[in-house]
Amino acid sequence: QQQVKQSPQSLIVQKGGISIINCAYENTAFDYFPWYQQFPGKGPALLIAIRPDVSEKKEGRFTISFNKSAKQFSLHIMDSQPGDSATYFCAAFNNAGNMLTFGGGTRLMVKP
Amino acid sequence: NAGVMQNPRHLVRRRGQEARLRCSPMKGHSHVYWYRQLPEEGLKFMVYLQKENIIDESGMPKERFSAEFPKEGPSILRIQQVVRGDSAAYFCASSPLGHGGEQFFGPGTRLTVL
Repeated sequence: QQQVKQSPQSLIVQKGGISIINCAYENTAFDYFPWYQQFPGKGPALLIAIRPDVSEKKEGRFTISFNKSAKQFSLHIMDSQPGDSATYFCAAFNNAGNMLTFGGGTRLMVKP
Repeated sequence: NAGVMQNPRHLVRRRGQEARLRCSPMKGHSHVYWYRQLPEEGLKFMVYLQKENIIDESGMPKERFSAEFPKEGPSILRIQQVVRGDSAAYFCASSPLGHGGEQFFGPGTRLTVL
């Protein structure tokens, strides 16, 4: 019940296109959903996050869409750039659990 | 404003040796978390600490692994008698009081066991 499922595992997008990564969860106690970006050899960097009381949050080219009833959330990267090529992880947190539960990751490649 | 610091960045140990990984949280952060990442996988929670207290160690193997966050100094993740399966990237994260979900990660320590 603590699992977070992420898809796709890998994604190739042309420069200027939209990258979409999806996550689903089971535990309704999760109350905070961050996305992290990780470059090879680096630590995960917090990109954007959402709480379940809103359905969408936008920061620059990055948007999180949240569907509480379906227990799904997704990351949209608009106008994708080669510099966005990285691995993206969704995660979920609840105060009772004390930990972030991560999805398996999506390796994004943006072709020039 | 320095971020989370971890050292060493790379650590090579032979089977049976001890590994000590250090983590200094961001200034003003009182919560420290350790995660392990195997190649091509997501991060898995190991332990959550506050100053001088282990709050949750449910993700940490019962044997050979220990963690501490003393009153003074960095948090330490200690692995005794390392085995090849311990080879992984170990990440430390910190969060401010009351915002446990807003975790900021360090650059990680990549442990290789020969």
